[in-house]
Amino acid sequence: AQTVTQSQPEMSVQEAETVTLSCTYDTSESDYYLFWYKQPPSRQMILVIRQEAYKQQNATENRFSVNFQKAAKSFSLKISDSQLGDAAMYFCAYRRTQYSSASKIIFGSGTRLSIRP
Amino acid sequence: DTAVSQTPKYLVTQMGNDKSIKCEQNLGHDTMYWYKQDSKKFLKIMFSYNNKELIINETVPNRFSPKSPDKAHLNLHINSLELGDSAVYFCASSSTSGGSADTQYFGPGTRLTVL
Repeated sequence: AQTVTQSQPEMSVQEAETVTLSCTYDTSESDYYLFWYKQPPSRQMILVIRQEAYKQQNATENRFSVNFQKAAKSFSLKISDSQLGDAAMYFCAYRRTQYSSASKIIFGSGTRLSIRP
Repeated sequence: DTAVSQTPKYLVTQMGNDKSIKCEQNLGHDTMYWYKQDSKKFLKIMFSYNNKELIINETVPNRFSPKSPDKAHLNLHINSLELGDSAVYFCASSSTSGGSADTQYFGPGTRLTVL
């Protein structure tokens, strides 16, 4: 069975600094998706970034980028120039192949990120 | 424009009652989901429907019954509510085709409190 592990329950970073959130996963599949979702205090789940496993290039979205290491089954999220609005719970998530509608998302336990002004 | 909406956002009820949560998406997606987030923020899937057909049914008590009247709606009915049902319930949707296929978009959540 697939699992997603986030080993950092809490992280803190100074505003404008860079922070990296860790995520590892376990799967025997070769084709899958990985995601980072953000959940601010409003509790809305917001997609931050998505990575297709078959792509070697790391996904980026403005200040957010990932370091995808497929062999190591590692998928970390880097937030550059941290802003107060980045404070939230961050969830790493895994989903199996594109062609299976019966494929569910498996979430990690989350990392709570706080931003120090 | 609201992409995935849920009603109500808050629900407080007594043990033993029956309640429903509604979900609607206007993204044209063909797959919808219900997730439960417990007090420790752990998110776990409960059900998934594709084109109104149940495709994922995790180990969930029979008291929980999803219903999908059409592709844009997925409702969750809960019978005989128990204290342990208190949680935040998220609806989500995704498409099996297109550029953002398989990316799930979430509703705002419904915080259910059972007293």
